[in-house]
Amino acid sequence: DAGVTQSPTHLIKTRGQQVTLRCSPKSGHDTVSWYQQALGQGPQFIFQYYEEEERQRGNFPDRFSGHQYPNYSSELNVNALLLGDSALYLCASSLARGQETQYFGPGTRLLVL
Amino acid sequence: EDKVVQSPLSLVVHEGDTVTLNCSYEVTNFRSLLWYKQEKKAPTFLFMLTSSGIEKKSGRLSSILDKKELFSILNITATQTGDSAVYLCAVAGANSKLTFGKGITLSVRP
Repeated sequence: DAGVTQSPTHLIKTRGQQVTLRCSPKSGHDTVSWYQQALGQGPQFIFQYYEEEERQRGNFPDRFSGHQYPNYSSELNVNALLLGDSALYLCASSLARGQETQYFGPGTRLLVL
Repeated sequence: EDKVVQSPLSLVVHEGDTVTLNCSYEVTNFRSLLWYKQEKKAPTFLFMLTSSGIEKKSGRLSSILDKKELFSILNITATQTGDSAVYLCAVAGANSKLTFGKGITLSVRP
């Protein structure tokens, strides 16, 4: 049973560039949530996708956008990168119905120079 | 705004010690509280708690929730070096959105 997978594992970008991160949920899961984790902090909720729509959103600017495909995989896009966007980006999958347990992928480490 | 506070932020113990990690929260439309262990990257799920007073156990780890006082504890008995990690507490509110605390860094020395 494949768990949550993310790609790439590491990424280096420069300020002003755009980046796309990808996530495949755990088999059988239909909901994908994205989190940003800065060094020494807990994960911060960015947004959640279900049925190809953004279901709810945290306190992140519009530079952060996403998409969910019919096979439930998801992308996180960040435009006009800032130094402060450097972080570990975590994807978590879950079932929309039933329990709230979210299972996390290994994350993408983004460094903005 | 939902809020989770964990304490202490870090602690160092020796193998064999017992540790108690604390998590207090404020959340609207509380659904559950979850504990995760994060060693390098991916947080791995430990427990989900929804009801007060019911202890959940997995080996040397156990956790309990108090919905009246709005806190949870995670206990680890007979600690091992492999328990060294960051322990994250999160609460699930409306629409299952998770709000995390900053985490507790546990170091277990041989």
